[in-house]
Amino acid sequence: QVQLVQSGAEVKKPGASVKVSCKASGYTFTSYFMHWVRQAPGQGLEWMALINPSDGSTSYAQKFQGRVTMTRDTSTTTVYMELSSLRSEDTAVYYCARCLRGNTNLPYFDYWGQGTLVTVSS
Amino acid sequence: QSALTQPASVSGSPGQSITISCTGTSSDVGGYNYVSWYQQHPGKAPKLMIYDVSNRPSGVSNRFSASKSGNTASLTISGLQAEDEADYYCSSYTNNITLPVVFGGGTKLTVL
Repeated sequence: QVQLVQSGAEVKKPGASVKVSCKASGYTFTSYFMHWVRQAPGQGLEWMALINPSDGSTSYAQKFQGRVTMTRDTSTTTVYMELSSLRSEDTAVYYCARCLRGNTNLPYFDYWGQGTLVTVSS
Repeated sequence: QSALTQPASVSGSPGQSITISCTGTSSDVGGYNYVSWYQQHPGKAPKLMIYDVSNRPSGVSNRFSASKSGNTASLTISGLQAEDEADYYCSSYTNNITLPVVFGGGTKLTVL
């Protein structure tokens, strides 16, 4: 069965970076785009970025350009999201989510990771 | 401020039907038939309920239906059940290359 398992919660100081992992299993890793969506406490969902695991190409929301980097390791079927220059407003649960429609950037996320809480606090 | 506009809350009694609206623009909801809806229970990851405006993924109850007219998409839940109490988010593809996916602000559904 399809599973997305994310790394554990992180506490970071302002200005630091965080790298969250998402290990995929149960399907052909390179056949489905992976997206990252975050949710601040008590707030709604916010799309951040996507990666094509087949060739590593990425697309980032303009809001996060220059601060976010998505990478993948096909040997371990894991995608990574690194966010730098953290500020308090980055405190959120970060989700990886697989695109239902394979290699497209459509907003159809059929499988989600369990979420990783990133807390930014001095 | 979210790109898509949803009511903050809706409520209904068990057995009733409710509709949640999601208003965007011609650059997103109105321009493409790429609208989806998610259900999120507290502390859980969102669950895909609708895609391609009105299609249900396998396993989603047929009590959930959706449609679109112009720049507004709608999700209808019929025969409300206690387990339907959750937050609901709409999402749409957009023609903004730097933001291809936008979400609504979410709607809290309370089953009275």
